[in-house]
Amino acid sequence: AQTVTQSQPEMSVQEAETVTLSCTYDTSESDYYLFWYKQPPSRQMILVIRQEAYKQQNATENRFSVNFQKAAKSFSLKISDSQLGDAAMYFCAYGPYSGGGADGLTFGKGTHLIIQP
Amino acid sequence: EAQVTQNPRYLITVTGKKLTVTCSQNMNHEYMSWYRQDPGLGLRQIYYSMNVEVTDKGDVPEGYKVSRKEKRNFPLILESPSPNQTSLYFCASSSAGLAKNIQYFGAGTRLSVL
Repeated sequence: AQTVTQSQPEMSVQEAETVTLSCTYDTSESDYYLFWYKQPPSRQMILVIRQEAYKQQNATENRFSVNFQKAAKSFSLKISDSQLGDAAMYFCAYGPYSGGGADGLTFGKGTHLIIQP
Repeated sequence: EAQVTQNPRYLITVTGKKLTVTCSQNMNHEYMSWYRQDPGLGLRQIYYSMNVEVTDKGDVPEGYKVSRKEKRNFPLILESPSPNQTSLYFCASSSAGLAKNIQYFGAGTRLSVL
């Protein structure tokens, strides 16, 4: 079974600074997806960024980028120019490539990100 | 607007009183799932469905039932709720095509069982 580990229960960063959230995972598969989801106080789950394991290039979405290290099974999220609206719980998730979306995602326990004004 | 709709958003009930949380998606997605979120545990999958009349257990299925009679709907049924089912529940759907595994989540249902 796959596991996802987020070793930082809480992180704090000054507004406009850069912060990196860590995630490691364990799988025996060679093809899979990795995700970062943001959950603000509204509790809505918002997809931040997605990475396909077969792609060597790290995914980027505006101020959000990942450092995907397949051999090390590491998938960290970097948030540049942090904004107050980035304050949220962030979840790292693993999704299998085969079987489609119904197999579901395996989530880490989350990292609570605090933005200091 | 593409969305996954859950109802109710908040529910307080008592032990043993059957309840149903509805989930509906308007994106013609094949795949639908239910998750529960508990503090310090992240989200865990309860049940999933790959298409109409096809459902299977996730990681924490005990005490729950689901059905998929129509493609757009995937209700979660608690036949005899217990306090350990107090949680935040999410329904999610995804496509079978190239965008598979991008799961769209509902807004969540906060359930309290007294």
